[in-house]
Amino acid sequence: TQLLEQSPQFLSIQEGENLTVYCNSSSVFSSLQWYRQEPGEGPVLLVTVVTGGEVKKLKRLTFQFGDARKDSSLHITAAQPGDTGLYLCAGSIIQGAQKLVFGQGTRLTINP
Amino acid sequence: GAVVSQHPSRVICKSGTSVKIECRSLDFQATTMFWYRQFPKKSLMLMATSNEGSKATYEQGVEKDKFLINHASLTLSTLTVTSAHPEDSSFYICSADRGPDTQYFGPGTRLTVL
Repeated sequence: TQLLEQSPQFLSIQEGENLTVYCNSSSVFSSLQWYRQEPGEGPVLLVTVVTGGEVKKLKRLTFQFGDARKDSSLHITAAQPGDTGLYLCAGSIIQGAQKLVFGQGTRLTINP
Repeated sequence: GAVVSQHPSRVICKSGTSVKIECRSLDFQATTMFWYRQFPKKSLMLMATSNEGSKATYEQGVEKDKFLINHASLTLSTLTVTSAHPEDSSFYICSADRGPDTQYFGPGTRLTVL
């Protein structure tokens, strides 16, 4: 049973288009992180959201944490080829707990 | 951001040998580090939690005698894959905990067992 369901798992779009990646669970998370991973490298932390309803922006990336803290989304505006990579959501179920639960990942390809 | 290093980045070994992978937090101290395994085109799978000065906590299904973890200092954790076999070939990634809701990942180690 996957605790964090990420969708879509694969996405290939043209440069300039917008996209949204979803991360859903039936469990409540004390916090949720989004990472981006390039091939052959470790994940790089993009953002952490901790408050229900929280919205954070990182240039063309907008991250949202659901009001009930069970889901999150990543929206990319005007995608560029440099956005290509594996996007991972990960969350902590227990507040203060260090162990992270990872989603399956979304492999994003932006075509020039 | 914080820096976590791994060494080696790539290793190829013969079946039956043991391989040690190091994970270092370069600019902060980490009481807790984590070891993950990642299969091609898949997400990260937590193998164990490494605690400085105490025994590691292994996830269900991970053999502790196969994957030895030592966290001897606040900046170094090591994972030793003992008697490696081809099925142990994978991408191993460590992370270091830097406080609430914050983990920084190393660049990973590609292990190939022939």
